[in-house]
Amino acid sequence: EAAVTQSPRSKVAVTGGKVTLSCHQTNNHDYMYWYRQDTGHGLRLIHYSYVADSTEKGDIPDGYKASRPSQENFSLILELASLSQTAVYFCASSEGRATETLYFGSGTRLTVL
Amino acid sequence: GDSVTQKQGQVTLSEDDFLFINCTYSTTTYPTLLWYVQYPGQGPQLLLKVTTANNKGISRGFEATYDKGTTSFHLQKASVQESDSAVYFCALVGTNTGKLTFGDGTVLTVKP
Repeated sequence: EAAVTQSPRSKVAVTGGKVTLSCHQTNNHDYMYWYRQDTGHGLRLIHYSYVADSTEKGDIPDGYKASRPSQENFSLILELASLSQTAVYFCASSEGRATETLYFGSGTRLTVL
Repeated sequence: GDSVTQKQGQVTLSEDDFLFINCTYSTTTYPTLLWYVQYPGQGPQLLLKVTTANNKGISRGFEATYDKGTTSFHLQKASVQESDSAVYFCALVGTNTGKLTFGDGTVLTVKP
């Protein structure tokens, strides 16, 4: 069974603070993704990576950085958290490009005050 | 670019009711059309896929169909159960981009 684990499960941050969300996969997948979910807005792609030490911008990358230090780990970094970044963040992995099946973690609920 | 429109934000049904959720899409390629389901407290998971070749997908009692003429695809189930309460997302995989584009989701609530 594919496994993607995210930490923390929830976090409260202050405006202007730095936030790091972590993701670990045991699927041996090359591709990893960070999505943001807002109520009524579905899932939007922030960053993705297809190989360690390299990341790519998704559809809404502004205000976010990503880091892929190894095949298994992918982090999302908010250098200066803002109120508008309050959302649920999902990490996912997949075997390759143009694949239908993404394996999602359980999400991190981030609240920026 | 690719886009998916899912207008039904919320659907409330009683057990044994018929479920029908509709999405429309726009793309310049031949897409693979998907339905993901997200149960409370979990991440989304793939429920069904439909390709332009097979026009239909079936899984766990759900059926997905595709209409090229109206560029729409549908998710239906003959008799919903309370355990089907979840958020359902339509999505497409762009052939050229390899990216998944998700709809906004439909929150299904099934009352016992």
